[in-house]
Amino acid sequence: QSVLTQPPSVSGAPGQRVTISCTGSSSNIGAGYDVHWYQQLPGTAPKPLIYGNNNRPSGVPDRFSGSQSGTSASLAITGLQAEDEADYYCQSYDSTLSGFHFVFGTGTKVTVL
Amino acid sequence: QVQLQESGPGLVKPSETLSLTCTVSGDSIRSYYWSWIRQPPGKGLEWIGYIFYHGSTNYDPSLKSRVTMSLETSKNQFSLSLTSVTAADTAVYYCARHVGSSFWVRGHWFDPWGQGILVTVSS
Repeated sequence: QSVLTQPPSVSGAPGQRVTISCTGSSSNIGAGYDVHWYQQLPGTAPKPLIYGNNNRPSGVPDRFSGSQSGTSASLAITGLQAEDEADYYCQSYDSTLSGFHFVFGTGTKVTVL
Repeated sequence: QVQLQESGPGLVKPSETLSLTCTVSGDSIRSYYWSWIRQPPGKGLEWIGYIFYHGSTNYDPSLKSRVTMSLETSKNQFSLSLTSVTAADTAVYYCARHVGSSFWVRGHWFDPWGQGILVTVSS
């Protein structure tokens, strides 16, 4: 069971702006651990989209941006394009009495209308 | 350009051991942390554990009792062993390289990933 919660789906028309939330707790995002985002196209491995809360790897368009506040983080996609239709996952780190480990969000499917 | 490739059996019987290998090309496994991540069909990503070149490991608490990771530095490979598998272990298994400071593992992210290998647990 993931400790990072995302909406199952979001949708938007081409050119619109959509946001995906990633809600955690005081043992992960709220503890100050960085949030990273991945895009997974159908049948392929996840690809990094945002690292360190709001940084884009080389080659990722600036239409993608990230933010973090308190126990949550968000991924924004502006100027939505057909090729953005994919699954998106947030990732962070969690530290509890049972151990410390990397965690992923539940995933969000983005549909371009 | 670093590339990762998973290999191993695509079918494992219940109660047996799942064994996978990740072959790294284009970089040395001595330089980074390496993880295994899995994705059950139609579901989300689940981190399994990581290994560092000098042998330190960290496994997800929910899988810790069944997981072992190891390195084969001469072959630039690292491996995953998962014992007592059930149908719930059916998934695409990915290997991935960590990115980030070796002094702050908690901030790491994963890039690149292997293409993934589907492992089905069934009799």
